[in-house]
Parts: sequence; C-alpha cells; structure tokens
Amino acid sequence: QSLLAQPPSVSGAPGQRVTMSCTGSGSNIGAGYDVHWYQQLPGTAPKLLIYANNKRPSGVPDRFSASKSGASASLAISGLQAEDEADYYCQSYDLSLRVVFGGGTKLTVL
Amino acid sequence: QAQLRESGPGLVKPSETLSLTCSVSGFSISTGYYWGWIRQSPGKGLEWIGSIFYSGVAHYNPSLRSRVTVSVDTSKNQISLNLRSVTAADTAIFYCAKSHGGNDLGWFDPWGQGVQVTVSS
Repeated sequence: QSLLAQPPSVSGAPGQRVTMSCTGSGSNIGAGYDVHWYQQLPGTAPKLLIYANNKRPSGVPDRFSASKSGASASLAISGLQAEDEADYYCQSYDLSLRVVFGGGTKLTVL
Repeated sequence: QAQLRESGPGLVKPSETLSLTCSVSGFSISTGYYWGWIRQSPGKGLEWIGSIFYSGVAHYNPSLRSRVTVSVDTSKNQISLNLRSVTAADTAIFYCAKSHGGNDLGWFDPWGQGVQVTVSS
C-alpha cells in the first residue's frame, strides 16, 4: 500500500487532455514536500517528467504540466499522442524518513 | 550529463546477499549529489531502497534498513548496493539514479537502464 495514491489507469483519445491524480497526506505532500513525476515507457527505465511540482526538464514537451495543492498533486497531458502511452509515477518524501512513490497510473491512448 | 549503468548477478539464492554496482560515467561522484537505488518488483511500482551522498552519508528505506547497505567508491566512480538475506520477494529490476535535492533527497535524474535480479534456488 503506497503512501501516495494514484488511480490504476486512465485513458483518452488522441488529441484529448487527460489528468491523473496523486493523493498523499499530511506526512508527505501535505507537509510541504515537493512532488515529482516520472514516465515509464514499456520495458524501459523511468524518465523524469516533472520536478519540484511543476517544472519541466529540458526536452519535455509543454504538453505535460503538473500542479500541487494541499496534500495532492496532478499531472495533465494535453494533445494526447500514441507515444504517451506509458506508466506514470509520482514521487515525494515522507516524514517517516523515506522517499515515496505512488503506485503508478497506466495511461492508455485509445 | 551523467550516465549510469547497473551490474551484478542476475540470479541470487534465497538467504544470500544480493550485491550490485552502479558505474557512473560523464560525471564525477565527488562533485556532490546523492545517488539512489530504486527497485521495481514484477508488475509492480517503484520502491526506494536507499540513497548515499558522495561523502558516504546514507539514508535508507526504514522497511529495508536492517538488510541494506549502500556504499560509494569515489576512486572508481561507483555506488554499490548490498541486500542481505534475500527472499523471492526481493526479485526485481534494480535501478540506480542520480538524486537532486536537499534533505528530502529530491528527484531522480537520470536513471540507469536497470538490472534484473531473480531470487531463486
């Protein structure tokens, strides 16, 4: 049971906008710790997508955006493309002195 | 940009010690930063194992602390992971990654390609 809850799956058609949530608690996101997001394409290592709540590393398209509010965060992908089909993980830090990951959300492009 | 590559035995017997090495190229570990180990069990999500600073200061997942040691060898520009008394539940892909951040250990970027380790007799 992850300390960060993510929906197991989301889906959308090409061109649409999808969002996925990452729900924590007062001991992690709600305590003020930053949220980071990773994209894991099938058979590959995770890749940093968003860091420090809403910052995009160089090379990440601006179709990807994220926000944080209270004890939750969300990732949005606009102009959905087939290549976006992947698993998405959120990550933060918890007062139990550990780095925590969400359970991941599988994005299906219809 | 740092490049990371994990290496080690792909098969470990139950009750033995899993030992992996992460070789870093294109960046000197001695420059700073934390370096972390993360694992992913078959069909499951990501689990942080531990992170170490170039000076040797290490932080561990409390759920694994009693069995884990992470070490750094700046002369070889490598980070190592030892996981003792393994069981089948430790079967996973193990990743090393460069960590950006302060006391909260920040975010991980880049990641190595990962190494599959199976625990079986």
